Amino acid sequence: SQQGEEDPQALSIQEGENATMNCSYKTSINNLQWYRQNSGRGLVHLILIRSNEREKHSGRLRVTLDTSKKSSSLLITASRAADTASYFCAKDGGFKTIFGAGTRLFVKA
Amino acid sequence: DTEVTQTPKHLVMGMTNKKSLKCEQHMGHRAMYWYKQKAKKPPELMFVYSYEKLSINESVPSRFSPECPNSSLLNLHLHALQPEDSALYLCASSQPLSSYEQYFGPGTRLTVT
Repeated sequence: SQQGEEDPQALSIQEGENATMNCSYKTSINNLQWYRQNSGRGLVHLILIRSNEREKHSGRLRVTLDTSKKSSSLLITASRAADTASYFCAKDGGFKTIFGAGTRLFVKA
Repeated sequence: DTEVTQTPKHLVMGMTNKKSLKCEQHMGHRAMYWYKQKAKKPPELMFVYSYEKLSINESVPSRFSPECPNSSLLNLHLHALQPEDSALYLCASSQPLSSYEQYFGPGTRLTVT
């Protein structure tokens, strides 16, 4: 399977703490994207990082990419209860989009 | 307008029924997608339309029949479904390049009885 693996599968933290989620993949990529999904709803695009980039920031989000290890991480700083959701990495995009298994984040108020 | 709409929100159908799911976007995107998502699993790509032509069919059973009447609309026709087809069906759109983000609709929760 080309599906990426994410860890942890589930993460429970207190509001204000940082949350780190990891994504690994098996084959080479052009880009990697991160999405958020609130319970039973559609996905929302968070950030895209290209294969020639190592780090990218967007607000409280920081994404890193290590192509030599075929892995990426998403860091959410100063988490809020509203960050409670599932987070998916997606290898490439468009016609070749393959989502990872996802991390379920629960932020306790 | 960055919204993708899907109707209906919920659908319950018997195994002998014929129903359709609808998806609409007005962002000028020329790629549209159908995904199937089971509980606590990631979305799985079913079909991709690019410039109103079916580009990808991920070996989906023929009881699912997609249709793209124009650049803003995407339908998924359902016939003779099985209980295991119960899932959240998500529609998405994007510009037809892999570097573009996809915009997702809220999904249709389908239950097959």
